[in-house]
Amino acid sequence: GAVVSQHPSWVICKSGTSVKIECRSLDFQATTMFWYRQFPKQSLMLMATSNEGSKATYEQGVEKDKFLINHASLTLSTLTVTSAHPEDSSFYICSARTGHGYTFGSGTRLTVV
Amino acid sequence: QQPVQSPQAVILREGEDAVINCSSSKALYSVHWYRQKHGEAPVFLMILLKGGEQKGHEKISASFNEKKQQSSLYLTASQLSYSGTYFCGTGGTNTGNQFYFGTGTSLTVIP
Repeated sequence: GAVVSQHPSWVICKSGTSVKIECRSLDFQATTMFWYRQFPKQSLMLMATSNEGSKATYEQGVEKDKFLINHASLTLSTLTVTSAHPEDSSFYICSARTGHGYTFGSGTRLTVV
Repeated sequence: QQPVQSPQAVILREGEDAVINCSSSKALYSVHWYRQKHGEAPVFLMILLKGGEQKGHEKISASFNEKKQQSSLYLTASQLSYSGTYFCGTGGTNTGNQFYFGTGTSLTVIP
């Protein structure tokens, strides 16, 4: 079946630095990928939709200059958290649509210290 | 866009049954069910596409009402491994392809 590989699984970074998270579709082409954020004991909230070859679309309330999304190829989408702060600490997960369903990456636990 | 789930949390003993509901103010193109264990990615359980549809696998089943605004997940004779947070979600044509998770239901099965 379709697989989305997400890296890294976890990352700890210092406040003020930037962190890049990658999602790759391994055996299919994903023209669109979705990025979610999940705070403890909360639901997964859609942050943005990345589109291959064009600008990402962001959900209301999500800062596009802080969460940079790049979808340069049909198999790779990246999310960069710029100038990270402790409040950005969260679980980030990507997904791609496959048929009627959606395939999710394994998630990235970001801790900003 | 986010479907609302009820209850928010439930605790049951091994062998008991549980029902988790998912409601939307608008008709849904599809409804998906996922289970998430702490610190892990959500795991796909099933998808329902048609109004009035019911489907299941082993002791977990789900229904989608005729108006496609409500879905229920049924857990029969619960096992300890059923513990986790359950999310419904919707995606497809009427959301512009984006997938939105429901509010979530925490389910704890105790011996």
